[in-house]
Amino acid sequence: KAGVTQTPRYLIKTRGQQVTLSCSPISGHRSVSWYQQTPGQGLQFLFEYFSETQRNKGNFPGRFSGRQFSNSRSEMNVSTLELGDSALYLCASSRADRGGTQYFGPGTRLLVL
Amino acid sequence: TQLLEQSPQFLSIQEGENLTVYCNSSSVFSSLQWYRQEPGEGPVLLVTVVTGGEVKKLKRLTFQFGDARKDSSLHITAAQPGDTGLYLCAGATDSWGKLQFGAGTQVVVTP
Repeated sequence: KAGVTQTPRYLIKTRGQQVTLSCSPISGHRSVSWYQQTPGQGLQFLFEYFSETQRNKGNFPGRFSGRQFSNSRSEMNVSTLELGDSALYLCASSRADRGGTQYFGPGTRLLVL
Repeated sequence: TQLLEQSPQFLSIQEGENLTVYCNSSSVFSSLQWYRQEPGEGPVLLVTVVTGGEVKKLKRLTFQFGDARKDSSLHITAAQPGDTGLYLCAGATDSWGKLQFGAGTQVVVTP
């Protein structure tokens, strides 16, 4: 069974731009969670989607948004990029049950200049 | 603020030695997962523990979940250079899709 895939793997943007990252979950997994990983803060939860609905959200500004499609693929968008948004963005998929094991993709490395 | 405290932050050992990483919290978790992460890659799942007091063994790795489901440990026997990486513990609560991560333990095993 194929794992979680994320595209693109690397991105360079400038301040003020916006970016869209994509995630395809493991086949049969309907829950997709997004995390931001930085050296200073570690892994921080952004949001979780299930059945095209956002079920949970972390403490990030409204510039961070996401969506999920009917095939469970998910995208996250960051608008008006700031230097501090430079990070590794990870998505993870799981079966829908609460507290279920999450399987991570390889991540998208975003650098904001 | 990390609700999950991992210790130590860094471990450097010689091949063949043993090591233990600890993950502690004041919160109760429905399950706890351990991951290993290589630089620039996503975390790779090692194990999920669910039951208080549970012990799981994967070859040279032994995982334990505390009786109260608030803490866990990872023990590696006879470490090898391939065990080098960032070890992360992550606790699941009743919050949909959200794992609470520890800061990680960087393990370096030298030949």
